Amino acid sequence: DTAVSQTPKYLVTQMGNDKSIKCEQNLGHDTMYWYKQDSKKFLKIMFSYNNKELIINETVPNRFSPKSPDKAHLNLHINSLELGDSAVYFCASSQTQGGGYTFGSGTRLTVV
Amino acid sequence: GESVGLHLPTLSVQEGDNSIINCAYSNSASDYFIWYKQESGKGPQFIIDIRSNMDKRQGQRVTVLLNKTVKHLSLQIAATQPGDSAVYFCAENAGGTSYGKLTFGQGTILTVHP
Repeated sequence: DTAVSQTPKYLVTQMGNDKSIKCEQNLGHDTMYWYKQDSKKFLKIMFSYNNKELIINETVPNRFSPKSPDKAHLNLHINSLELGDSAVYFCASSQTQGGGYTFGSGTRLTVV
Repeated sequence: GESVGLHLPTLSVQEGDNSIINCAYSNSASDYFIWYKQESGKGPQFIIDIRSNMDKRQGQRVTVLLNKTVKHLSLQIAATQPGDSAVYFCAENAGGTSYGKLTFGQGTILTVHP
């Protein structure tokens, strides 16, 4: 069983489109995150949810909207995709705030 | 061999050598540190962690050293193997109101030659 699973693994889309990435964790963790990894491998937090409540919202364009229907799921919706959105997006979860994360395998988004 | 993190340097070692990967962290309030390993096409994988009330922690073939005075963290890998080839990240967490936010360093590429 995959602990943190993301779908899709690859996503190629045109500029201006709207797309979603889904994430599910079966670890019983209460906090979930979205991270963006750029072409230089730099990992930066975007959002964090604790028990469905948004607790971290870094400086991210409004085009990015996270949604957590329950504490096991955190989805990421992106409107009006731009070339600069191309990156690998990682979902992660943790048991306690401040603890180590378990990461998903990533979604490689390519905007053309 | 040694390397300094945060600027994605590359460290090449021979199989069986010991590797040392360094990281300078930025926040003096950080109280929890983690090393992650990221293989190609995969997400970061937890290796070892250390809290600020410790200066050394050992795992299987890995040791993390923490020097809070100079805000420096290092990961030592003993008897490095080809399977250790990956990008290694240090991450820090300041606790308190950071709500689990991890700040990652830039990463170090480790290449192990057979």
